[in-house]
Amino acid sequence: IVLTQSPATLSLSPGETATLSCRASQSVSGYLAWYQQKPGRAPRLLIYGASSRAAGIPARFSGSGSGTDFTLTISSLEPEDFAVYFCLQRRTGGTFGQGTKLEIK
Amino acid sequence: QVQLVESGGGLVKPGESLRLSCAASGFTFSDHYMTWVRQAPGKGLEWLSYISSSGPYTNYADSVKGRFTISRDNAKKSLYLQMNSLRAEDTAVYYCAREAQSAYYIDYWGQGTLVTVSS
Repeated sequence: IVLTQSPATLSLSPGETATLSCRASQSVSGYLAWYQQKPGRAPRLLIYGASSRAAGIPARFSGSGSGTDFTLTISSLEPEDFAVYFCLQRRTGGTFGQGTKLEIK
Repeated sequence: QVQLVESGGGLVKPGESLRLSCAASGFTFSDHYMTWVRQAPGKGLEWLSYISSSGPYTNYADSVKGRFTISRDNAKKSLYLQMNSLRAEDTAVYYCAREAQSAYYIDYWGQGTLVTVSS
């Protein structure tokens, strides 16, 4: 299963809303998770099961979708949200998307 | 608290072998599937392999199938990745990761160990 994330880079300002997309080449049902990664750090789990927020993750992070189309929405961007975001499917084996870099405009 | 500590990385020549280890603590190791993920310098994440909680089931990415072997020792709370026939394109930070119990996603990550394959 191939995961395609878009856009590759997203330039926004603090306070704006970010919408990140992850599209699967075939259905992954709800076996889709989202991760945030900052330079030199391990990834951090944000969303699992497509729409469930992980423990300690702020409510401004939300996930939606099922089947082949998924979205991560980050509302009211905070300075610490600027990072790279990856999606992961574990419906069949495992695959990561290539990532979306969220940068400060 | 959950801790995953990788070791065994280093510089090796093409064609050589290396064994990575991951020491787990802070949770019941034998209850969880475990996974290896890697990240080449400046690149994205690549899922490599998982092993089931008691070890009989494994799965591999095509890029490493037949060269890499995942294993675990639940008594030692340790995860391993045996890497053979290493290539320059295997150069990456290798992460040990835990899957949530009875779920299909990674919930905790180690800090990674760097493997460099170069002559």
